[in-house]
Amino acid sequence: NAGVTQTPKFRILKIGQSMTLQCAQDMNHNYMYWYRQDPGMGLKLIYYSVGAGITDKGEVPNGYNVSRSTTEDFPLRLELAAPSQTSVYFCASSYGQINEKLFFGSGTQLSVL
Amino acid sequence: GQQLNQSPQSMFIQEGEDVSMNCTSSSIFNTWLWYKQDPGEGPVLLIALYKAGELTSNGRLTAQFGITRKDSFLNISASIPSDVGIYFCAGQLGSSNTGKLIFGQGTTLQVKP
Repeated sequence: NAGVTQTPKFRILKIGQSMTLQCAQDMNHNYMYWYRQDPGMGLKLIYYSVGAGITDKGEVPNGYNVSRSTTEDFPLRLELAAPSQTSVYFCASSYGQINEKLFFGSGTQLSVL
Repeated sequence: GQQLNQSPQSMFIQEGEDVSMNCTSSSIFNTWLWYKQDPGEGPVLLIALYKAGELTSNGRLTAQFGITRKDSFLNISASIPSDVGIYFCAGQLGSSNTGKLIFGQGTTLQVKP
């Protein structure tokens, strides 16, 4: 099993550009999450999904969009990149509602210049 | 929003020393979790705690769920170079029915051989 796969690993964007961060899991998990990690700030939840077709906002959703058309995939979209979105992004998944057994991807390091 | 205060922010220790870090909050948590993040990777679950007062070990790691349900600590005994990384606490709020986790800011551990 590959677990949670994120692409790309690194990306540099110009202000105002758009991009999609890809996330796929092959564990048949219902729950998927997007977090951002800023130095000294821990992990902040951006969006999450409890199943295909269902998404909800987390703590810091502004400037992002998500979709969940399949159980396996949960892409994160940045429409108008801003320097404040420079961060490391982690996708995670879990089987059930009690999400302590979160499986994380290896992260996408994004710089917006 | 709810906050988890994790301390210390960073530690630089000699190989073989014991390490202690903790998380505190003004909120009551249902679950406490401890994750480790290796450089360039996503966090990996180390220990999960579900009951106030619970003490759980995983090899050289020991974690406790505080009696007040507002704090938790993690101890690492006889540190080795591969213990290097960022350690995160995470809590699941008692009143939450969505299972979302709140993460601490992280403790960066460096071990000198």
